[in-house]
Amino acid sequence: NAGVMQNPRHLVRRRGQEARLRCSPMKGHSHVYWYRQLPEEGLKFMVYLQKENIIDESGMPKERFSAEFPKEGPSILRIQQVVRGDSAAYFCASSPPSGSRDTQYFGPGTRLTVL
Amino acid sequence: KQEVTQIPAALSVPEGENLVLNCSFTDSAIYNLQWFRQDPGKGLTSLLLIQSSQREQTSGRLNASLDKSSGRSTLYIAASQPGDSATYLCAAGDRGSTLGRLYFGRGTQLTVWP
Repeated sequence: NAGVMQNPRHLVRRRGQEARLRCSPMKGHSHVYWYRQLPEEGLKFMVYLQKENIIDESGMPKERFSAEFPKEGPSILRIQQVVRGDSAAYFCASSPPSGSRDTQYFGPGTRLTVL
Repeated sequence: KQEVTQIPAALSVPEGENLVLNCSFTDSAIYNLQWFRQDPGKGLTSLLLIQSSQREQTSGRLNASLDKSSGRSTLYIAASQPGDSATYLCAAGDRGSTLGRLYFGRGTQLTVWP
């Protein structure tokens, strides 16, 4: 059973470009969470999704950021018009259908660098 | 809003020592408490999960305790080894309307030298 997959592992963008981060949860997992780790800071919750539904997006910036978890395919975290302050490691986690009762399994992260 | 604090921020010990890492949280209404390990440039590996109704969990040389009333959790590492060197993160699982969200501390960076 493969773990949580994230790609790309490293992403470089220039200011103003778009960044798309992908997350494939573990097999059988229907809950996906995105977290951001800024330099010298702890991980911060961004968004919690189930298939085709956003459950809690209260940790996500109101502008430029969006997330989806379609019926088929990976979850996507999209950042439009990136700025230098978006440079961070973005981690995805997944959990089984029972959701928050279980531990969250984390992917290796995508390290975004904005030039 | 939940705030999670971990002390110490860094710890350097010789191999073989028994260690205690501390985690405190401000809101005792948590759903669970998890300890993770993070290696440089890597993702997080779950070590132990303590449900809010439990007092402790053990896995091998690791033991984690939870005292909700005082807002504290400790991770005990017995007979430390160089391979234990990593950053250890504590995360409080939220309940209520934001069930599913984890609040993380900044971590304790552990170095175990031979």
